[in-house]
This record gives sequence, C-alpha cells and structure tokens, in this order.
Amino acid sequence: AIQLTQSPSSLSASVGDRVTITCRASQGISSALAWYQQKPGKAPKLLIYDASSLESGVPSRFSGSGSGTDFTLTISSLQPEDFATYYCQQFNSYLLTFGGGTKVEIK
Amino acid sequence: QVQLQESGPGLVKPSETLSLTCAVSGYSISSGYYWGWIRQPPGKGLEWIGSIYHSGSTYYNPSLKSRVTISVDTSKNQFSLKLSSVTAADTAVYYCAKMIGIVGASIFDYWGQGTLVTVSS
Repeated sequence: AIQLTQSPSSLSASVGDRVTITCRASQGISSALAWYQQKPGKAPKLLIYDASSLESGVPSRFSGSGSGTDFTLTISSLQPEDFATYYCQQFNSYLLTFGGGTKVEIK
Repeated sequence: QVQLQESGPGLVKPSETLSLTCAVSGYSISSGYYWGWIRQPPGKGLEWIGSIYHSGSTYYNPSLKSRVTISVDTSKNQFSLKLSSVTAADTAVYYCAKMIGIVGASIFDYWGQGTLVTVSS
C-alpha cells in the first residue's frame, strides 16, 4: 500500500498567516492526490484534486502543488473558518489511502 | 445536489456483523460513478473501506477484505456495507461517499454526515 506521511501533525497559526502542509508519498503517484478539510463532527470536504486543481466553490486562498512523491497544501492567508484538520489522499492505486492528518489550531 | 445519508444500528456486539446502508438522493446510482465507504475511529484519521460501481464491481481495502461486503441496490438508489466479526477496533464513524469518475481509483466529492458505530457488549 502507498503510505502518505503528513507534516506537521499539528500547527498553531494566527489569522492572516500563510500556512503550508506537506504530504509525502512512499512511492511516486504522479498527480493523483487530493486534499480534504475536516471540521469537528463533520464529514471531510474536498478542497483540491489532481494535486493542484481547486474544487468548485473552494476559496482561492487554498492552493496545492507537487507531483511524484512530494505535495503541499498552502493557505495563503488563514481565516477563522480554516481552523480544522486537513488530510491528503492518493488515488494512484485502487488501494486508496489517506495521510494521518494535520490539525491547524489557533495561536 | 447529491445527498447521502447513512443508516443502521449504532451499537453492535463483538463478533457480530455491522450493517449500514447509504441512501442517495439527487442522483441515480445507475447513471454511473463509484460509491465508497470510509471510516474514522474516534480521534483518529480516515480509512478507506471499499468502493462499488452500479454494476456491482467492487474494490476493497485488503486489510478488511476478508470481512467486508459492499453491495448496491439500484432500485432503491442505495448501497450497503457489511463488516463481519467486529471487534472494539471497528468502533468508528462510518461515512458513505460519492466518488468522482468511473474508475475505482478516485476521490470523494460528496459525503454523508457519518454515523457512529460502537462495538460493545
């Protein structure tokens, strides 16, 4: 199975900060990576697919980049509603896997 | 707007079978796409369980494959999950979700609200 390692596992940031989350795959997955946002008690919400494509309705402050094994999710200016846990997911193989998550907390 | 709603018992005894159903509205399962189940133990991350196409074609997580069955009922526009021989480790919030595309290797664009299933005697 392809393992996805997210870093950091948690971070503290202030409103307006630029935040970057990393997802590293155990083997090359081309651009077959998605990012989700999950708030407490809610289902995950799709943010980014194909590593860098923004899902419809998602604010443009969210962006994704990378290919192969190294990927990043960037929030250009953190807003109060962005405090949540973020997960990456690979779909290069039929055995779908998620990263362990990154919790973004208020500083 | 596609909507998904999980239903089933919230409490299952150890060694028994967990059974959940996902009712889909706003889209006909027969029209295409894969549909999946994902779970999340309390305070932990997401784990993909398996996916099914309207034709009945399935993909399962190998770690659960021996215990999992996913089926589809196009006449009721719903799909179901059965997980046998459950233990406390199967306690989790179970989500059903719609997948993008017509291949099993895909992502999830619409999710149900999730249902907590606790395994306990």
